[in-house]
Amino acid sequence: EIVLTQSPATLSLSPGERATLSCRASQSVSSYLAWYQQKPGQAPRLLIYDASNRATGIPARFSGSGSGTDFTLTISSLEPEDFAVYYCQQRSNWPVTFGPGTKVDIK
Amino acid sequence: EVQLVQSGAEVKKPGESLKISCKGSGYSFTSYWIGWVRQMPGKGLEWMGIIYPGDSDTRYSPSFQGQVTISADKSISTAYLQWSSLKASDTAMYYCARGTRYCTNGVCFFDYWGQGTLVTVSS
Repeated sequence: EIVLTQSPATLSLSPGERATLSCRASQSVSSYLAWYQQKPGQAPRLLIYDASNRATGIPARFSGSGSGTDFTLTISSLEPEDFAVYYCQQRSNWPVTFGPGTKVDIK
Repeated sequence: EVQLVQSGAEVKKPGESLKISCKGSGYSFTSYWIGWVRQMPGKGLEWMGIIYPGDSDTRYSPSFQGQVTISADKSISTAYLQWSSLKASDTAMYYCARGTRYCTNGVCFFDYWGQGTLVTVSS
């Protein structure tokens, strides 16, 4: 099973700042990595798939990069609605696995 | 509009059985995988298993194999997650989610999610 590690666990930033979230895989997942956003009391929402492709309706301030074992989600300028928990997920190998999440909270 | 609508919250006692549902609409239900994801209170996302309603091909995460049963009734565009004997540790929010168009043998990203079903198991 591929283990995904996310860092940092918590990121405290102010609106307008840039957020950089990391996801590392225990072995290569090629580009088969996605990012999800989850707000309190809501279901997760797909942001990025295949490492760098924005899902339908996702604002351009969200971008993904990386391949192999190291991936990054960047939010170029945080909006108030972006404070949430972010999860990465791989679909390179069976079974699908999620990372533990990074919480982006207001500084 | 693609929608996944899940059944309502449940409160059960240990040892009881339960079946929760996820009804898809706005797309061809038989053409996309439907997965189930557990989220225990205050914790992260855990993938449980997945079904292809078109032919009922079902796959389970090793962590959940034998613990739950996933099924689907394509005639009513509904997927199910069921337990035969609940434990207190099954207390969690359960989400169904649709696999994207590019799944490979049930290994998917998930583009649409249900609203979640909260299952509480307590004596």
